Amino acid sequence: SQELEQSPQSLIVQEGKNLTINCTSSKTLYGLYWYKQKYGEGLIFLMMLQKGGEEKSHEKITAKLDEKKQQSSLHITASQPSHAGIYLCGAGPSIQGAQKLVFGQGTRLTINP
Amino acid sequence: KAGVTQTPRYLIKTRGQQVTLSCSPISGHRSVSWYQQTPGQGLQFLFEYFSETQRNKGNFPGRFSGRQFSNSRSEMNVSTLELGDSALYLCASSRTGITNTEAFFGQGTRLTVV
Repeated sequence: SQELEQSPQSLIVQEGKNLTINCTSSKTLYGLYWYKQKYGEGLIFLMMLQKGGEEKSHEKITAKLDEKKQQSSLHITASQPSHAGIYLCGAGPSIQGAQKLVFGQGTRLTINP
Repeated sequence: KAGVTQTPRYLIKTRGQQVTLSCSPISGHRSVSWYQQTPGQGLQFLFEYFSETQRNKGNFPGRFSGRQFSNSRSEMNVSTLELGDSALYLCASSRTGITNTEAFFGQGTRLTVV
């Protein structure tokens, strides 16, 4: 079965600094989802990447999918306190399969003022 | 446009009881998936419904069941509750439920079994 590993598991950065979170899959990635979660709450959809080399941005968050490396990265530029939370990557099992997402263990991001 | 609505938000039950959780997807979305989130196991897939049919099931015991109604609203039922069932239960809504379709989550139902 597919497994996703996120690194780092936790990250503390100074406000205004850039940061990167990585998500590596044990199998071929057919699509990759990024979500943000505040503790104990639901997941907020950030973006979905479908093709190798695809890159998407939303405000100060950019995500890229490297299919060959079976990896995706999430980059935050000029971090703000509102970026704090747990970032989760998720992936589907196959290109045409029903959505049965497998998730990484999450990266806890803390922003220090 | 309303998001995914889960009710109730919090629930406390006693071991041995049963519980029903509800999920109303985004209007126009026909797929509802359920996930269990615990500190130890993380997010795990329970099952997925599309047009009132269960299409996929995760590795959970038969005590966990669900159904979907004609209006796409879904319910999840857990019978004979165990302490280990304490978790945040999340549902996700998507238009088709196919891989690479955007999936949006609700706020979750926090279930505590005592």
